[in-house]
Amino acid sequence: DTEVTQTPKHLVMGMTNKKSLKCEQHMGHRAMYWYKQKAKKPPELMFVYSYEKLSINESVPSRFSPECPNSSLLNLHLHALQPEDSALYLCASSQEGARVTEAFFGQGTRLTVV
Amino acid sequence: GENVEQHPSTLSVQEGDSAVIKCTYSDSASNYFPWYKQELGKRPQLIIDIRSNVGEKKDQRIAVTLNKTAKHFSLHITETQPEDSAVYFCAASIDSGGGADGLTFGKGTHLIIQP
Repeated sequence: DTEVTQTPKHLVMGMTNKKSLKCEQHMGHRAMYWYKQKAKKPPELMFVYSYEKLSINESVPSRFSPECPNSSLLNLHLHALQPEDSALYLCASSQEGARVTEAFFGQGTRLTVV
Repeated sequence: GENVEQHPSTLSVQEGDSAVIKCTYSDSASNYFPWYKQELGKRPQLIIDIRSNVGEKKDQRIAVTLNKTAKHFSLHITETQPEDSAVYFCAASIDSGGGADGLTFGKGTHLIIQP
């Protein structure tokens, strides 16, 4: 199984809503990531989790709150978002260890903030 | 932090011809360089990667070259086919022997294969 599964695939939310994006992998990867991708742009790193601990936060606004409940799951909690936060949110995972290895991406959640 | 420049932004080639995409990076500590292909509406997928202890790597019609001194790396696709049409991203990461760092991507190249 080389799948990273993200839910939901699409999400429309108002600026006062609270919602969560979910990501799951069963490849035994201990590094998990959130990326944000705007249209016609590259993915931009938001957060890195290593062994369920947040290791990198790329100065992301606090209205985005990541959570890693266990080694297979990664959540991104959203609150009070702005229309400019509309984007494709990609989760990825990779092995953690002595060498950087391939990052596997999920299909993404396409988020629209209205 | 790392900065990855990628050129060209759009590349149109005739089917059967070769395509070359070039990237440069700024952080000399970067030592892992993957290339991802992203078709419209789909997830990025790794097509090939190279580490800094290797100058060239080939996988069938795809090859990547790395010049550490000049801090640039290139993707070469030979005998292009219509299914090669997609956006290609180069990326760089630091493999420090422990601790995932995430990837810094180039801006992407839209490769168009003309029949």
